[in-house]
Amino acid sequence: DAKTTQPPSMDCAEGRAANLPCNHSTISGNEYVYWYRQIHSQGPQYIIHGLKNNETNEMASLIITEDRKSSTLILPHATLRDTAVYYCIVRVGGSNYKLTFGKGTLLTVNP
Amino acid sequence: DTAVSQTPKYLVTQMGNDKSIKCEQNLGHDTMYWYKQDSKKFLKIMFSYNNKELIINETVPNRFSPKSPDKAHLNLHINSLELGDSAVYFCASSHSDRGNTEAFFGQGTRLTVV
Repeated sequence: DAKTTQPPSMDCAEGRAANLPCNHSTISGNEYVYWYRQIHSQGPQYIIHGLKNNETNEMASLIITEDRKSSTLILPHATLRDTAVYYCIVRVGGSNYKLTFGKGTLLTVNP
Repeated sequence: DTAVSQTPKYLVTQMGNDKSIKCEQNLGHDTMYWYKQDSKKFLKIMFSYNNKELIINETVPNRFSPKSPDKAHLNLHINSLELGDSAVYFCASSHSDRGNTEAFFGQGTRLTVV
């Protein structure tokens, strides 16, 4: 699986959009971009994933650049409960669901 | 209803003891996993089971033995516990025939070896 690079930490004001970047310059054509988050002392939680197209669900939006070498997770209206470590992961699609977690980005949402 | 449940949530034990952590999922998934998160917060896969068959074994010491009595359960037995085994252990599950869907994680078991 390709390696990802994320900033170690970011701050965001409550109610504002949080934009979390991720670089994955060595991504292969069959690798998907996944985002998970881990709120303190809890298990990781799936947020969203995509291959080429931008994706949106009830939690977030995922913007993938045309060359697929980077992506941005957008939380449109961050709340205090969104404070967590956010992990960007790339993996090959298929049944071998091995997630390789990096250090992630600690997003702190401030009042 | 809890999707992936682990017991116990906390486990404190002495070096050399043998302990087990249980995991159950009620999502109808056919693949289950164990992940370990160490003190530096790195989260690494240990094992993966699909339909009770071992799929992934990430060079984990053989003191760790996963056991899957059925598709809904994956228990982790640890023999001769060492100080370095202290960590948070997460169970997870997913569908194998839907390779691009999410994995669901349990709330973790914090193991402390003293």
